[in-house]
Amino acid sequence: TQLLEQSPQFLSIQEGENLTVYCNSSSVFSSLQWYRQEPGEGPVLLVTVVTGGEVKKLKRLTFQFGDARKDSSLHITAAQPGDTGLYLCAGSGAGSYQLTFGKGTKLSVIP
Amino acid sequence: SQTIHQWPATLVQPVGSPLSLECTVEGTSNPNLYWYRQAAGRGLQLLFYSVGIGQISSEVPQNLSASRPQDRQFILSSKKLLLSDSGFYLCAWSDRGDQPQHFGDGTRLSIL
Repeated sequence: TQLLEQSPQFLSIQEGENLTVYCNSSSVFSSLQWYRQEPGEGPVLLVTVVTGGEVKKLKRLTFQFGDARKDSSLHITAAQPGDTGLYLCAGSGAGSYQLTFGKGTKLSVIP
Repeated sequence: SQTIHQWPATLVQPVGSPLSLECTVEGTSNPNLYWYRQAAGRGLQLLFYSVGIGQISSEVPQNLSASRPQDRQFILSSKKLLLSDSGFYLCAWSDRGDQPQHFGDGTRLSIL
């Protein structure tokens, strides 16, 4: 069974600070996705990474896939209150019918 | 473009009553379809997935069932709800099992 562990579980920071959240596994994934979920809504896809070592940027968000494709990180620069939400990572194995989701990092950005 | 609709948004039901939650997808053909339950503010528990009409795989044995009567329609049901069925239910679709999933807005189910 593939497992994804996300850390930290909770993070509360001031507006303008930088932060990094992590998604780790002992398993290799063919691709990994990051989602953001706001209260009362479904998760929204932010990015997909597929190549070991890949780095993708989405405005102030930087996503990195580990060289061995077992882990990923999300770095937010100058966090804004609008970044508040639950960040979920999810990975897929080759030929799998489903994604493996981590339990998420709940981020609160205080104005 | 593809869209996913899930309803109702909120539902309050008494213990022992039946349940039917519906999810439809537009703008794609033969999608993989998924039902998840999410505990308060935490990770997703996969309940059922379907790779085609009438094909349902159950991940967690429980009081719920799923059906896929049409290509882009996925229904979550129960004959008799339990208190433990309360939660936030999410429907999702993907082009293939290893592709990113796209979620509906969820149904908040409260059992009294």
